[in-house]
Amino acid sequence: QGVVTQEPSVTVSPGGTVILTCGSITGAVTSGLFPCWVQQKPGQAPKTLIYDTNNRYSWTPARFSGSLLGDKAALTLSGAQPEDEAEYFCLLSYGTERRIFGGGTKLTVL
Amino acid sequence: QVQLVESGGGVVQPGGSLRLSCAASGFTFTDSGMHWVRQIPGKGLEWLAFMTSARKSPYYADSVRGRFTISRDNSRNTLYLQLDSLRPEDTAIFYCARDRKWGFENWGQGTLVTVSS
Repeated sequence: QGVVTQEPSVTVSPGGTVILTCGSITGAVTSGLFPCWVQQKPGQAPKTLIYDTNNRYSWTPARFSGSLLGDKAALTLSGAQPEDEAEYFCLLSYGTERRIFGGGTKLTVL
Repeated sequence: QVQLVESGGGVVQPGGSLRLSCAASGFTFTDSGMHWVRQIPGKGLEWLAFMTSARKSPYYADSVRGRFTISRDNSRNTLYLQLDSLRPEDTAIFYCARDRKWGFENWGQGTLVTVSS
């Protein structure tokens, strides 16, 4: 198990809502770890959707949102679309000198 | 638009070296910190190294410190990663990424490094 923990796989129905979480074995995930969420579809380069906990980029669909939920970071997908099927990686920044990705969550839209 | 284009990957024998390049365009390179990340095919992402815009101290993951060296040439808008003492387990796709507000805002398409005899 790595330092940054994620669910290995999650399934959501089309149009449904799903929450992916990102934990840290060192303790609670806070905004001070600047959680990011990175989407990667098969055969493609990664693409960051959320930075600094809850900020979207111009290319991030509004159905994706980031937050802190309890002691974890969370990525909420509201109204899942077939094209959202992908692997999602969480990234935590333990200072400038240490950035760690979670193992990824494979999201299936079915 | 922002473009990051990696190059320099290929097949190398164990113990060998490679230098990867990441050509940047579409943004002010000198204002951006830059990262290298790798991905073993079919596996997860691993952060490797970071260099600030001002080329101050580089930062490395423990797994590659002492074998990989990050550098940049701001006059050429290019980021580099020198890979030395390569091992079969270093076989991966290597991506460069632009840092902005603690996020990896832009990614390149990656370059594949295969370490095999």
